[in-house]
Amino acid sequence: EAQVTQNPRYLITVTGKKLTVTCSQNMNHEYMSWYRQDPGLGLRQIYYSMNVEVTDKGDVPEGYKVSRKEKRNFPLILESPSPNQTSLYFCASSSPSRSRAYGYTFGSGTRLTVV
Amino acid sequence: GNSVTQMEGPVTLSEEAFLTINCTYTATGYPSLFWYVQYPGEGLQLLLKATKADDKGSNKGFEATYRKETTSFHLEKGSVQVSDSAVYFCALNPDNYGQNFVFGPGTRLSVLP
Repeated sequence: EAQVTQNPRYLITVTGKKLTVTCSQNMNHEYMSWYRQDPGLGLRQIYYSMNVEVTDKGDVPEGYKVSRKEKRNFPLILESPSPNQTSLYFCASSSPSRSRAYGYTFGSGTRLTVV
Repeated sequence: GNSVTQMEGPVTLSEEAFLTINCTYTATGYPSLFWYVQYPGEGLQLLLKATKADDKGSNKGFEATYRKETTSFHLEKGSVQVSDSAVYFCALNPDNYGQNFVFGPGTRLSVLP
């Protein structure tokens, strides 16, 4: 089944403790992206990647890091999480030939709480 | 810049009522337009899309027409069901590279039996 898999689904952590949210897709998509969803603000892009070793900042990159060493994986790293990073996070993927017609495929989300 | 505006929610309807969720956009060029749906506890799923002016996207009884003259992509359904309760996002892809999707804030729909 074609899908984007995120882990974990739920995570509660403490301020300052480094964490990684994993994202993997099995569709051989070149593009991958991270969004955060907050009430009243919709989805905001954190980082995106056009291909292996090519990443760029989205609208709200502060406090986050990403890497794209393999085509299928795009982990989101929070080096020193803070409570304002409490949010619902989504990973998404697409391909150049399909994005205009088919949009993104989204993962199921990771609900992160930083206390 | 590129942006998407949606009607404020939440929207509460009775089963079998007519649904309209307004969406207007600002973009340069000729964007593709999308509606995504997010059911409780799940990720976003593509509901329908249109890639050029006057295209009508449709799926599961939902429809939306790409209106370039009014820069709108309103979502409609003739008879909603309780199972349609979800958050609906209007989105646009302004270019051919796929990474610059712009989402609206989402509209929560609750359908009562």
